[in-house]
Parts: sequence; C-alpha cells; structure tokens
Amino acid sequence: AAGVIQSPRHLIKEKRETATLKCYPIPRHDTVYWYQQGPGQDPQFLISFYEKMQSDKGSIPDRFSAQQFSDYHSELNMSSLELGDSALYFCASSTGQGWETQYFGPGTRLLVL
Amino acid sequence: AQSVTQLGSHVSVSEGALVLLRCNYSSSVPPYLFWYVQYPNQGLQLLLKYTTGATLVKGINGFEAEFKKSETSFHLTKPSAHMSDAAEYFCAVSGEGRRALTFGSGTRLQVQP
Repeated sequence: AAGVIQSPRHLIKEKRETATLKCYPIPRHDTVYWYQQGPGQDPQFLISFYEKMQSDKGSIPDRFSAQQFSDYHSELNMSSLELGDSALYFCASSTGQGWETQYFGPGTRLLVL
Repeated sequence: AQSVTQLGSHVSVSEGALVLLRCNYSSSVPPYLFWYVQYPNQGLQLLLKYTTGATLVKGINGFEAEFKKSETSFHLTKPSAHMSDAAEYFCAVSGEGRRALTFGSGTRLQVQP
C-alpha cells in the first residue's frame, strides 16, 4: 500500500539558511499534519491543512511557513535556520475532518550546523 | 489542554514476559487515544487506537490496550514480549476540537534474551 512520502530524507544546512521540506500524502488523503521531533523528545505538532486550507496551528515558529497545494502535497518552508531547528520532521496524512488515523511518513532529518 | 503522561521512560523485560507500558491522560472531553511505535531512524507506526465503543482495543503485533475512564488510563500490554518489540512507544491523545496529536514523552522498551 502507498505510504506518506517525504523528501528529502536528510538535509544539512548552515545557520541562517533556508530549507524546504516536502510531503506527499497517501492518495485520497486530504489532510496533512507536520510534527517536529527534537533529539530524545516526543513529536510536537506544528501545523495542519485540510483541503488546502490551514486547519490548525501548533508550536510553529514565525520563521516557518507551510502550505498545501492543489495536488494535496505540502511543503514546510523554514527560514533563518537556528541550531535548535535540528530535528526529525514528520508529516502525517489522514482523510477528512473526522478522527481517522494519521499515517506518518519516514521523516526528514534536518541538521543545522 | 490535553496532555499525556507516560510512566517510565525505560522499561526492560525478558523475552516471553508480559509487557506493560503505562499511559495516563488528561482531557476535559472524551478523548481519542493512540499508541504509536517508533523503531530507530523510522517514522511512527500506529499500534492501536481508541475512539468510541469497546474499551478493550486490540492492535497489531499482539498488543492491546484498555481505556479506563475512571483511572484516566490507557495502558498498553502484550502477553509475551518478543525481541522485535524493542522500540520507542508513544501514547498520544486528540480531542477537545483538535485533531492534532499530543504525544507523551515516550517509553523505550528493551527486551532481554
């Protein structure tokens, strides 16, 4: 079965640079969630989209922005990167506005030097 | 706001022994509860979830959990541990109008031969 695809899987950036992470949800899934997992930490919710509109916002820094496109893929844009942004970034997808299961991608590991 | 507390950041059991991972939640409304497993350098995989109905929930790989409202608990159990069960386990909650998951701090399960 098709799963959530995230690219790139690994990314190394310097401080103050920008990064763009991409998420391709499971086909026919219209809701995307972004989570950040710092080293040894639990995943923290950043932001979510339903039908290309922002549906909820968590602890996403102002330096970050995200959007969901017409094909339902989503991109997380991160600017002015800081050392503390080094983390595993997960995307999850689900269907509709109910309490359906969120299916997680393999994550993008971002290292900021 | 909802929250999850996982008692014990590390649990070690012998192969074949009972696995018990504890999770307590806080929610002002009936919660939706989840257990996810994370293997090293991988994404999160859903083990089981409770939304409504039967309070004893069976999941994949022989795991089950029981929702106990009076104890605000959702402990994860498996009768007989296998070496392949060694991983990080996260309890998560959603609800109160928010579909994003709030995770506990995780429990690392070690299985000794």
